Amino acid sequence: KNEVEQSPQNLTAQEGEFITINCSYSVGISALHWLQQHPGGGIVSLFMLSSGKKKHGRLIATINIQEKHSSLHITASHPRDSAVYICAVRSLNTPLVFGKGTRLSVIA
Amino acid sequence: DAGVIQSPRHEVTEMGQEVTLRCKPISGHNSLFWYRQTMMRGLELLIYFNNNVPIDDSGMPEDRFSAKMPNASFSTLKIQPSEPRDSAVYFCASSPSRTERGETQYFGPGTRLLVL
Repeated sequence: KNEVEQSPQNLTAQEGEFITINCSYSVGISALHWLQQHPGGGIVSLFMLSSGKKKHGRLIATINIQEKHSSLHITASHPRDSAVYICAVRSLNTPLVFGKGTRLSVIA
Repeated sequence: DAGVIQSPRHEVTEMGQEVTLRCKPISGHNSLFWYRQTMMRGLELLIYFNNNVPIDDSGMPEDRFSAKMPNASFSTLKIQPSEPRDSAVYFCASSPSRTERGETQYFGPGTRLLVL
């Protein structure tokens, strides 16, 4: 079974700061997802990637397949970015395995 | 599009009672997933269906849990009898195609279950 580790577990940032959240996994994958869980509990899929980099607004996700590592970056962070960010990975013929999440608080 | 619909949104019950959680996936989606989230264990996959057929139920905790998908637009997760340790948020998600392609999953709002 794939082991997914996220770091840091908790992160507090000042508004405007550049934020990086990391995800490492133990077994080769076919896809990696970044999810955002709002304080109210709702879960939103941010990115699905299997190689390279994807960008959406102020969010950037990168993945290094050889190093089994992905990062989620937030530029010009804002209090509304406060949420739990969850990394999940999938290998062929297996369902998603989730990390424990990174709790981000952005302070104005 | 209404998104994934789950009901009820909250459920409080006493241990020993039967609990049924319901999910309506996004129309046209072929895969449906049931997840459980707790503070201790985070998100865990319980079971997933593809084209209404259960593919992997290895995440189902024990025989007290059962899931069905009688048609493409409806699924249930049943706990009988419920126990306090089943208290969690249960999420349903759907995706457009087979999981092997790693398609994006769309999550419902979750059902918050408390078993007293």
